[in-house]
Amino acid sequence: GENVEQHPSTLSVQEGDSAVIKCTYSDSASNYFPWYKQELGKRPQLIIDIRSNVGEKKDQRIAVTLNKTAKHFSLHITETQPEDSAVYFCAAAQGGGTASKLTFGTGTRLQVTL
Amino acid sequence: DSGVTQTPKHLITATGQRVTLRCSPRSGDLSVYWYQQSLDQGLQFLIQYYNGEERAKGNILERFSAQQFPDLHSELNLSSLELGDSALYFCASSPGSVTGELFFGEGSRLTVL
Repeated sequence: GENVEQHPSTLSVQEGDSAVIKCTYSDSASNYFPWYKQELGKRPQLIIDIRSNVGEKKDQRIAVTLNKTAKHFSLHITETQPEDSAVYFCAAAQGGGTASKLTFGTGTRLQVTL
Repeated sequence: DSGVTQTPKHLITATGQRVTLRCSPRSGDLSVYWYQQSLDQGLQFLIQYYNGEERAKGNILERFSAQQFPDLHSELNLSSLELGDSALYFCASSPGSVTGELFFGEGSRLTVL
Protein backbone atom coordinates (compact mmCIF):
# COMPACT_ATOMS: atom_id res chain seq x y z
CA GLY A 1 0.00 0.00 0.00
CA GLU A 2 0.87 3.68 -0.08
CA ASN A 3 3.48 4.97 2.36
CA VAL A 4 3.79 8.70 3.05
CA GLU A 5 6.85 9.95 4.89
CA GLN A 6 6.94 13.44 6.36
CA HIS A 7 9.83 15.53 7.65
CA PRO A 8 10.64 17.14 9.96
CA SER A 9 8.55 15.85 12.86
CA THR A 10 9.00 19.14 14.72
CA LEU A 11 9.89 22.57 13.41
CA SER A 12 10.45 25.78 15.32
CA VAL A 13 10.70 29.10 13.51
CA GLN A 14 10.65 32.72 14.52
CA GLU A 15 7.69 34.86 13.61
CA GLY A 16 8.13 36.23 10.12
CA ASP A 17 10.42 33.44 8.97
CA SER A 18 9.48 30.78 6.42
CA ALA A 19 8.67 27.16 7.19
CA VAL A 20 9.06 24.21 4.83
CA ILE A 21 7.66 20.73 5.37
CA LYS A 22 8.51 17.89 3.01
CA CYS A 23 6.73 14.65 2.16
CA THR A 24 7.48 11.69 -0.05
CA TYR A 25 5.07 9.06 -1.29
CA SER A 26 5.58 5.58 -2.67
CA ASP A 27 2.61 4.88 -4.95
CA SER A 28 3.12 6.48 -8.37
CA ALA A 29 -0.64 6.16 -8.94
CA SER A 30 -1.38 8.68 -6.20
CA ASN A 31 -3.04 11.67 -7.82
CA TYR A 32 -4.15 14.09 -5.12
CA PHE A 33 -2.05 15.66 -2.37
CA PRO A 34 -3.75 17.71 0.33
CA TRP A 35 -2.31 19.36 3.41
CA TYR A 36 -4.25 19.52 6.66
CA LYS A 37 -3.70 21.68 9.71
CA GLN A 38 -4.70 20.39 13.14
CA GLU A 39 -4.69 22.78 16.05
CA LEU A 40 -4.44 21.37 19.55
CA GLY A 41 -7.60 19.48 20.45
CA LYS A 42 -9.28 20.32 17.16
CA ARG A 43 -10.20 18.50 13.99
CA PRO A 44 -7.92 18.45 10.94
CA GLN A 45 -8.80 21.10 8.36
CA LEU A 46 -7.69 21.38 4.75
CA ILE A 47 -5.41 24.33 4.07
CA ILE A 48 -4.28 23.65 0.51
CA ASP A 49 -4.24 20.80 -1.99
CA ILE A 50 -2.66 19.98 -5.34
CA ARG A 51 -3.50 17.49 -8.04
CA SER A 52 -1.02 15.46 -10.03
CA ASN A 53 -1.41 17.53 -13.19
CA VAL A 54 -0.15 20.68 -11.45
CA GLY A 55 3.39 21.44 -10.26
CA GLU A 56 2.73 24.32 -7.90
CA LYS A 57 -0.15 26.06 -6.21
CA LYS A 58 -0.22 29.14 -4.01
CA ASP A 59 -2.78 30.63 -1.67
CA GLN A 60 -1.65 33.82 0.04
CA ARG A 61 1.18 32.83 2.44
CA ILE A 62 0.89 29.12 1.69
CA ALA A 63 2.26 27.27 -1.32
CA VAL A 64 2.62 23.63 -2.26
CA THR A 65 4.96 22.14 -4.85
CA LEU A 66 4.79 18.68 -6.37
CA ASN A 67 7.54 16.72 -8.11
CA LYS A 68 5.90 13.63 -9.59
CA THR A 69 9.14 12.21 -10.92
CA ALA A 70 10.76 12.25 -7.51
CA LYS A 71 7.46 11.50 -5.77
CA HIS A 72 7.74 14.28 -3.28
CA PHE A 73 5.75 17.37 -2.39
CA SER A 74 6.35 20.25 -0.03
CA LEU A 75 4.44 22.85 1.94
CA HIS A 76 5.86 26.35 2.18
CA ILE A 77 4.57 28.90 4.67
CA THR A 78 5.98 32.41 4.38
CA GLU A 79 5.84 35.23 6.91
CA THR A 80 4.85 32.84 9.68
CA GLN A 81 2.57 34.05 12.45
CA PRO A 82 1.88 32.63 15.93
CA GLU A 83 -1.50 31.36 14.73
CA ASP A 84 0.34 29.12 12.27
CA SER A 85 1.46 27.01 15.25
CA ALA A 86 -0.20 23.61 14.83
CA VAL A 87 0.42 20.10 13.54
CA TYR A 88 0.50 19.85 9.77
CA PHE A 89 -0.25 16.62 7.92
CA CYS A 90 0.47 15.84 4.31
CA ALA A 91 -1.50 13.15 2.55
CA ALA A 92 -1.66 11.26 -0.72
CA ALA A 93 -4.81 9.87 -2.26
CA GLN A 94 -5.12 6.66 -4.20
CA GLY A 95 -8.11 5.71 -6.28
CA GLY A 96 -10.72 8.20 -7.27
CA GLY A 97 -14.34 8.75 -7.89
CA THR A 98 -16.41 6.97 -5.31
CA ALA A 99 -13.56 4.86 -3.94
CA SER A 100 -10.59 6.71 -2.55
CA LYS A 101 -8.14 6.24 0.25
CA LEU A 102 -6.24 9.14 1.76
CA THR A 103 -2.98 8.11 3.42
CA PHE A 104 -1.55 10.65 5.85
CA GLY A 105 2.00 11.38 6.86
CA THR A 106 2.97 11.29 10.53
CA GLY A 107 2.67 15.05 10.99
CA THR A 108 4.93 18.03 11.65
CA ARG A 109 4.51 20.06 14.81
CA LEU A 110 5.21 23.67 13.85
CA GLN A 111 5.98 26.16 16.61
CA VAL A 112 6.16 29.82 15.69
CA THR A 113 7.94 31.80 18.37
CA LEU A 114 7.75 35.54 18.95
CA ASP B 1 -18.28 23.86 12.17
CA SER B 2 -17.63 21.27 9.43
CA GLY B 3 -21.19 19.97 9.37
CA VAL B 4 -20.03 16.47 10.38
CA THR B 5 -21.42 15.32 13.71
CA GLN B 6 -19.82 12.63 15.84
CA THR B 7 -21.16 11.10 19.03
CA PRO B 8 -20.18 10.52 21.73
CA LYS B 9 -17.41 13.10 22.16
CA HIS B 10 -15.84 11.16 25.00
CA LEU B 11 -16.16 7.53 26.03
CA ILE B 12 -14.48 5.63 28.83
CA THR B 13 -14.82 1.88 28.99
CA ALA B 14 -13.04 -1.25 30.17
CA THR B 15 -11.00 -3.83 28.33
CA GLY B 16 -13.07 -6.52 26.66
CA GLN B 17 -16.05 -4.26 26.17
CA ARG B 18 -17.75 -3.15 22.95
CA VAL B 19 -18.58 0.39 21.88
CA THR B 20 -20.31 2.06 18.96
CA LEU B 21 -19.26 5.40 17.54
CA ARG B 22 -21.71 7.32 15.42
CA CYS B 23 -21.19 9.78 12.58
CA SER B 24 -23.58 11.96 10.62
CA PRO B 25 -22.00 13.35 7.43
CA ARG B 26 -22.50 16.79 5.96
CA SER B 27 -25.78 17.24 4.18
CA GLY B 28 -25.41 15.90 0.65
CA ASP B 29 -22.16 14.03 1.23
CA LEU B 30 -22.30 10.38 0.22
CA SER B 31 -18.85 9.24 1.37
CA VAL B 32 -17.87 8.60 4.97
CA TYR B 33 -14.36 7.83 6.15
CA TRP B 34 -13.13 6.62 9.52
CA TYR B 35 -9.67 7.45 10.88
CA GLN B 36 -7.89 6.53 14.10
CA GLN B 37 -5.48 8.98 15.74
CA SER B 38 -3.50 7.64 18.66
CA LEU B 39 -1.60 9.95 21.03
CA ASP B 40 1.01 11.90 19.10
CA GLN B 41 0.36 9.76 16.06
CA GLY B 42 -0.84 10.46 12.59
CA LEU B 43 -4.19 9.67 11.10
CA GLN B 44 -4.60 6.00 10.32
CA PHE B 45 -7.19 5.23 7.65
CA LEU B 46 -9.66 2.56 8.70
CA ILE B 47 -12.43 2.35 6.13
CA GLN B 48 -14.51 4.27 3.57
CA TYR B 49 -18.17 3.93 2.62
CA TYR B 50 -19.97 5.44 -0.32
CA ASN B 51 -23.76 5.53 -0.41
CA GLY B 52 -24.03 2.53 1.86
CA GLU B 53 -21.34 0.39 0.30
CA GLU B 54 -17.81 -0.29 1.51
CA ARG B 55 -15.39 1.14 -1.05
CA ALA B 56 -11.91 1.26 0.49
CA LYS B 57 -10.32 -0.46 3.45
CA GLY B 58 -7.22 0.34 5.47
CA ASN B 59 -5.57 -1.52 8.33
CA ILE B 60 -8.80 -2.03 10.19
CA LEU B 61 -8.65 -4.73 12.83
CA GLU B 62 -11.01 -7.69 12.62
CA ARG B 63 -12.39 -6.62 16.01
CA PHE B 64 -13.60 -3.43 14.34
CA SER B 65 -16.49 -3.15 11.92
CA ALA B 66 -18.43 -0.35 10.34
CA GLN B 67 -21.47 0.29 8.23
CA GLN B 68 -23.27 3.11 6.51
CA PHE B 69 -27.03 3.20 6.74
CA PRO B 70 -29.61 4.27 4.13
CA ASP B 71 -29.84 7.72 5.75
CA LEU B 72 -26.03 7.92 5.20
CA HIS B 73 -25.03 8.05 8.83
CA SER B 74 -22.29 5.62 9.76
CA GLU B 75 -21.34 3.63 12.82
CA LEU B 76 -17.97 2.22 13.82
CA ASN B 77 -18.17 -0.77 16.14
CA LEU B 78 -15.17 -1.63 18.27
CA SER B 79 -15.28 -4.91 20.19
CA SER B 80 -13.07 -6.88 22.60
CA LEU B 81 -11.43 -3.58 23.41
CA GLU B 82 -7.78 -3.46 24.39
CA LEU B 83 -5.77 -0.71 26.07
CA GLY B 84 -4.12 0.06 22.75
CA ASP B 85 -7.46 0.95 21.20
CA SER B 86 -7.51 4.15 23.23
CA ALA B 87 -7.44 6.90 20.61
CA LEU B 88 -9.30 9.70 18.94
CA TYR B 89 -11.57 8.36 16.23
CA PHE B 90 -12.42 10.78 13.47
CA CYS B 91 -15.17 10.53 10.95
CA ALA B 92 -14.93 12.57 7.77
CA SER B 93 -17.24 13.03 4.83
CA SER B 94 -17.01 14.18 1.25
CA PRO B 95 -19.35 14.42 -1.69
CA GLY B 96 -17.67 11.26 -2.94
CA SER B 97 -17.89 12.04 -6.62
CA VAL B 98 -14.31 13.37 -6.93
CA THR B 99 -11.30 12.85 -4.71
CA GLY B 100 -11.10 16.06 -2.76
CA GLU B 101 -11.47 17.73 0.59
CA LEU B 102 -12.49 15.66 3.55
CA PHE B 103 -14.58 17.41 6.17
CA PHE B 104 -13.73 16.05 9.60
CA GLY B 105 -15.93 15.83 12.63
CA GLU B 106 -14.68 16.80 16.08
CA GLY B 107 -13.81 13.20 16.87
CA SER B 108 -14.75 10.68 19.53
CA ARG B 109 -12.14 10.19 22.21
CA LEU B 110 -12.11 6.60 23.43
CA THR B 111 -10.32 5.68 26.61
CA VAL B 112 -9.99 1.97 27.46
CA LEU B 113 -9.05 1.26 31.08
